Amino acid sequence: EDKVVQSPLSLVVHEGDTVTLNCSYEVTNFRSLLWYKQEKKAPTFLFMLTSSGIEKKSGRLSSILDKKELFSILNITATQTGDSAIYLCAVGVYGGATNKLIFGTGTLLAVQP
Amino acid sequence: EPEVTQTPSHQVTQMGQEVILRCVPISNHLYFYWYRQILGQKVEFLVSFYNNEISEKSEIFDDQFSVERPDGSNFTLKIRSTKLEDSAMYFCASSDGGHQPQHFGDGTRLSIL
Repeated sequence: EDKVVQSPLSLVVHEGDTVTLNCSYEVTNFRSLLWYKQEKKAPTFLFMLTSSGIEKKSGRLSSILDKKELFSILNITATQTGDSAIYLCAVGVYGGATNKLIFGTGTLLAVQP
Repeated sequence: EPEVTQTPSHQVTQMGQEVILRCVPISNHLYFYWYRQILGQKVEFLVSFYNNEISEKSEIFDDQFSVERPDGSNFTLKIRSTKLEDSAMYFCASSDGGHQPQHFGDGTRLSIL
């Protein structure tokens, strides 16, 4: 059975801290790994990773994939209160013309002033 | 920035009734998806749709569920005879390629009484 596991489940930090969120997976027909940020409603797309070892970066956020060890990390540096959200990891699995996404439970990040 | 729009935001209906959830995907996207999230659980894949047909569906997507693209802009999910266990947040997503990032709407919270 396809499985995506995120850790930690929740995290409380202070503004300015650096955090690392983890995502491991066991799936057949891996196509991609995606990170989303969910604040109130819609999961908002952050990154899609398909190749090992290539870091994707957007401002204070960065992510990298290890396809040999089957995991990814999402780093957030100099955290701000606006980073407080649930961070979802999802793995895209081949399904013909489309990929279906297999989601983890998410990591709830709370950034305190 | 273009976004996926879902209506209604909250739907309350009696068990056994039919319900239609509506989505307007991003305008140049051709790949459409429905996911659901039961309270406290992971986001789960329901169905993907491309070229006017279902590309893939999960075990959850049984004969009570159907999807349709009735015109050039809408994408709907119909549940024929709702059950209590259908209560969940239903997310629509779209992408501009079968293996491209999926962009999510704000969801419809479905409550079955």
